[in-house]
Amino acid sequence: GDSVTQMEGPVTLSEEAFLTINCTYTATGYPSLFWYVQYPGEGLQLLLKATKADDKGSNKGFEATYRKETTSFHLEKGSVQVSDSAVYFCALSQYNFNKFYFGSGTKLNVKP
Amino acid sequence: NAGVTQTPKFQVLKTGQSMTLQCAQDMNHNSMYWYRQDPGMGLRLIYYSASEGTTDKGEVPNGYNVSRLNKREFSLRLESAAPSQTSVYFCASWGAGSPLHFGNGTRLTVT
Repeated sequence: GDSVTQMEGPVTLSEEAFLTINCTYTATGYPSLFWYVQYPGEGLQLLLKATKADDKGSNKGFEATYRKETTSFHLEKGSVQVSDSAVYFCALSQYNFNKFYFGSGTKLNVKP
Repeated sequence: NAGVTQTPKFQVLKTGQSMTLQCAQDMNHNSMYWYRQDPGMGLRLIYYSASEGTTDKGEVPNGYNVSRLNKREFSLRLESAAPSQTSVYFCASWGAGSPLHFGNGTRLTVT
């Protein structure tokens, strides 16, 4: 079945450091891929998405490229801020969007 | 625009008690979902409803029932709560052309 695997956390970085959170997926066909972010005490919010191979999703300085050859969708940011501290979830959905599959989440702590 | 509203925010139950978690969305979305979030396990789908009048099991449906009351509302019922159901529960909705929208969650503790 479809599944998402992402790197375990927590990830602790200093402000202005480079961030990479790895995400790989298993799916038949051509799923859409997403990154969601969860701030403390809140629900998940969409951060960015990509719907086909080689698409790059971007938002708030974060980027991720849909790599079908490596079945990956790694999240990157060039310079993190304290306000980026949150839990990040990689997710996929098939064409009919009836189901969304989430990774286990990666907690990011950014220190001033 | 409230989005997805879940009630209650917190609940403590004793083993064997029952309760219903309520969820309502005001975005006219067809699809609604119930997830549970446990440490180290991410979000796991309990049940979903692709449209009004239909419901389907997700990955972890045992011990739960759902009702899609109308297009806006999708409730989750625990008939006989167990400590293993201690978790944070999220309702979400989805409509064509939009991302998955989540409520702020219900923190349930079963003692």
